[in-house]
Amino acid sequence: GESVGLHLPTLSVQEGDNSIINCAYSNSASDYFIWYKQESGKGPQFIIDIRSNMDKRQGQRVTVLLNKTVKHLSLQIAATQPGDSAVYFCAMNTGFQKLVFGTGTRLLVSP
Amino acid sequence: GAVVSQHPSWVICKSGTSVKIECRSLDFQATTMFWYRQFPKQSLMLMATSNEGSKATYEQGVEKDKFLINHASLTLSTLTVTSAHPEDSSFYICSARTATAEQYFGPGTRLTVT
Repeated sequence: GESVGLHLPTLSVQEGDNSIINCAYSNSASDYFIWYKQESGKGPQFIIDIRSNMDKRQGQRVTVLLNKTVKHLSLQIAATQPGDSAVYFCAMNTGFQKLVFGTGTRLLVSP
Repeated sequence: GAVVSQHPSWVICKSGTSVKIECRSLDFQATTMFWYRQFPKQSLMLMATSNEGSKATYEQGVEKDKFLINHASLTLSTLTVTSAHPEDSSFYICSARTATAEQYFGPGTRLTVT
């Protein structure tokens, strides 16, 4: 079956540090992966995505890495800021257009 | 990025009444929209897939007669919670799928049933 899991439920970092949020998945047929940021009381906000024909993609201060061999996805946030504090979800698309979400990692950034 | 809106952002209703939540894609057309439910400190759970011009597809365990979905146009999908009960209280979130398969989410609707 499809499942997406996260290694750490909470990640605490200091402002300015780099953050790495990890995600494991089980469906080898997945071909599209997305990271979302969700602040309290709000809907998920798209951060970055990657397709299975790539292993790395960079955005502004964020990088997503995909290792299909071990079915692992990570989100790296450079120079983490207090405004980055939120819950981060990885999600993967399935052949049925649906998204399966991970359990979420709470990122806490202290000044 | 693409913008998706939801209305209302929060609603309180009495047990036994029905509540309608709207989801709109503001700057793109979406043949497919999705409805999710999220309990506090939990992940998003897909309830149903809403397709323009056809019946919605519900996930296992979701009562289609209780959660009525209508995708009336390429920019609007509605979720009606019928005969609401306190256990239906939750955060309901919709998303809209672009032509290139990205999903953008609405801001969510907090439903409280008293």
